[in-house]
Amino acid sequence: QVQLQESGPGLVKPSETLSLTCTVSGGSISSYYWSWIRQPPGKGLEWIGYIYYSGSTNYNPSLKSRVTISVDTSKNQFSLKLSSVTAADTAVYYCARGTKTSPYPLSYWGQGTLVTVSS
Amino acid sequence: SYELTQPPSVSVSPGQTARITCSGDALPKQYAYWYQQKPGQAPVLVIYKDSERPSGIPERFSGSSSGTTVTLTISGVQAEDEADYYCQSADSSGTYGVFGGGTKLTVL
Repeated sequence: QVQLQESGPGLVKPSETLSLTCTVSGGSISSYYWSWIRQPPGKGLEWIGYIYYSGSTNYNPSLKSRVTISVDTSKNQFSLKLSSVTAADTAVYYCARGTKTSPYPLSYWGQGTLVTVSS
Repeated sequence: SYELTQPPSVSVSPGQTARITCSGDALPKQYAYWYQQKPGQAPVLVIYKDSERPSGIPERFSGSSSGTTVTLTISGVQAEDEADYYCQSADSSGTYGVFGGGTKLTVL
């Protein structure tokens, strides 16, 4: 059974860069699409972007200037970087897996990690 | 930017049928997916490709599509179905993902 686990700092200062890693276990990161989604406290889900195992990416236009998603197949991990963060970026961040041919559906999700932006 | 529109809330009594709609201009071209999220938990996929049900999801969950609206139907609602439900799809080009605002299902 595929499992995903997010990791990274739970507190980030305003204007700094948020960095998270998703470690995939129980299966290979190769041949699949991998996504990041976030959810501000008490609010709905927001799609951040996805990466194919080969490295091709697509990002939410509203975040595109600040987002980078990368993959490390040797470590079975993919990562999220979000620059110039503000309090509005405070959210639970989820990583998820798509299929071999499409970013959707998101069949497997990590448990999520809360990132708070505060000085 | 592209948006999917869901009602904020739906309420039903146990045993009744709940219908949650999701509207978007690109839905005739792009598949819709439905996720269930209970408090403090990650979302769980309950319907994919408009009407397909993943293994392990009860048969009372079904999906349908008509024009620019897709519908999640839960027949014979049980107390355990109380949760937030999100539709998800992509823009008309299939490039960008998008979630609906979510619908809180209350079982009375």
